[in-house]
Amino acid sequence: KNQVEQSPQSLIILEGKNCTLQCNYTVSPFSNLRWYKQDTGRGPVSLTIMTFSENTKSNGRYTATLDADTKQSSLHITASQLSDSASYICVVSAHQAGTALIFGKGTTLSVSS
Amino acid sequence: SAVISQKPSRDICQRGTSLTIQCQVDSQVTMMFWYRQQPGQSLTLIATANQGSEATYESGFVIDKFPISRPNLTFSTLTVSNMSPEDSSIYLCSVYRSGTGELFFGEGSRLTVL
Repeated sequence: KNQVEQSPQSLIILEGKNCTLQCNYTVSPFSNLRWYKQDTGRGPVSLTIMTFSENTKSNGRYTATLDADTKQSSLHITASQLSDSASYICVVSAHQAGTALIFGKGTTLSVSS
Repeated sequence: SAVISQKPSRDICQRGTSLTIQCQVDSQVTMMFWYRQQPGQSLTLIATANQGSEATYESGFVIDKFPISRPNLTFSTLTVSNMSPEDSSIYLCSVYRSGTGELFFGEGSRLTVL
């Protein structure tokens, strides 16, 4: 069964600290992996998209890694800011007919001052 | 990035009534997608709306409950019919940006059914 599991479910860190969010998937055949940021009351916004051949991609203070062999991805946030408080959603796309995006439940990050 | 406008942004409705959510995109797109995000859950695809044809519904979702219109390449509506408290969710419209494969979402419509 295609699944995307994210950990931790929630996380609280101090402003300025770094953190890493995890995403494990069992989606097959794999096409790409996406990380989204969803602020409270807003729609998800894309941070990164990685294909099978990419193992790291950065977007400002956000760096995503992908290990297609172990089917794991991480999102590293550097020098966190209060505005990073949001839900971070890992989405994996499978190669199959029709729409095949499998969403994780997200990690809720709270950055405090 | 694609600009997607959704209306209403939020609403509180009575059980048994229906609500129509509108989605307007700033450019023409072939497919538009409707998602539901229940509290504490991941996004779930309701249906794919294609212009000029009937929407394609995912398992567990039916046209009588979630009728969809797609009158042109920039606009779609999703109706939540005969609502119950279990329909309380955020409903999101999304589109792909051609060439990049990037999926853009609207701001969502937060629906509360009493």
